[in-house]
Amino acid sequence: SQTIHQWPATLVQPVGSPLSLECTVEGTSNPNLYWYRQAAGRGLQLLFYSVGIGQISSEVPQNLSASRPQDRQFILSSKKLLLSDSGFYLCAWDSTSGLTGELFFGEGSRLTVL
Amino acid sequence: AQSVTQPDIHITVSEGASLELRCNYSYGATPYLFWYVQSPGQGLQLLLKYFSGDTLVQGIKGFEAEFKRSQSSFNLRKPSVHWSDAAEYFCAVPSGSARQLTFGSGTQLTVLP
Repeated sequence: SQTIHQWPATLVQPVGSPLSLECTVEGTSNPNLYWYRQAAGRGLQLLFYSVGIGQISSEVPQNLSASRPQDRQFILSSKKLLLSDSGFYLCAWDSTSGLTGELFFGEGSRLTVL
Repeated sequence: AQSVTQPDIHITVSEGASLELRCNYSYGATPYLFWYVQSPGQGLQLLLKYFSGDTLVQGIKGFEAEFKRSQSSFNLRKPSVHWSDAAEYFCAVPSGSARQLTFGSGTQLTVLP
């Protein structure tokens, strides 16, 4: 069966420090991968999605970047964090072979920038 | 662009009472529609989805939703709420060329004993 893992689960970082959140999917090949951010009271905002290795699309201009160095690995990064980067970050995947649109989510990474 | 609206930010019901969470969509054709649930501090889990056919869709945990084209709605229902149903609920619709899901702003459900 397919599983998705995110880490770290919780992170407290000072303003200006770098960030790296990692997401790994197991049990499937060539998934679409997504990073969402959930800020308090603001629902889910799609940040990045990837349809293949090295292919990243950004939905909103921001202080963050994403990379997909391997088929089932998706990394969210920042060189210098801002206070506004605080939030709950969710990685998700779906199958490129189906048309269901159903997303499978990781457990999330809570980032607090102080 | 396709979008969904959840007009209720927060709903409180008593355990055992019936529940209806509202979702309105904006879409030219018949959309695919989804309901997800998020327990505190967790990721999202799919409750149910509508693609076509029968407009009443059954999901997990005793939930159902009805697609009503005339009202552009896809409301989530449960006849008898359990305390474990307390969570945040999101309606979603695919949008964009890569079929990314666009989520509503969510409805927080509180269940009173």
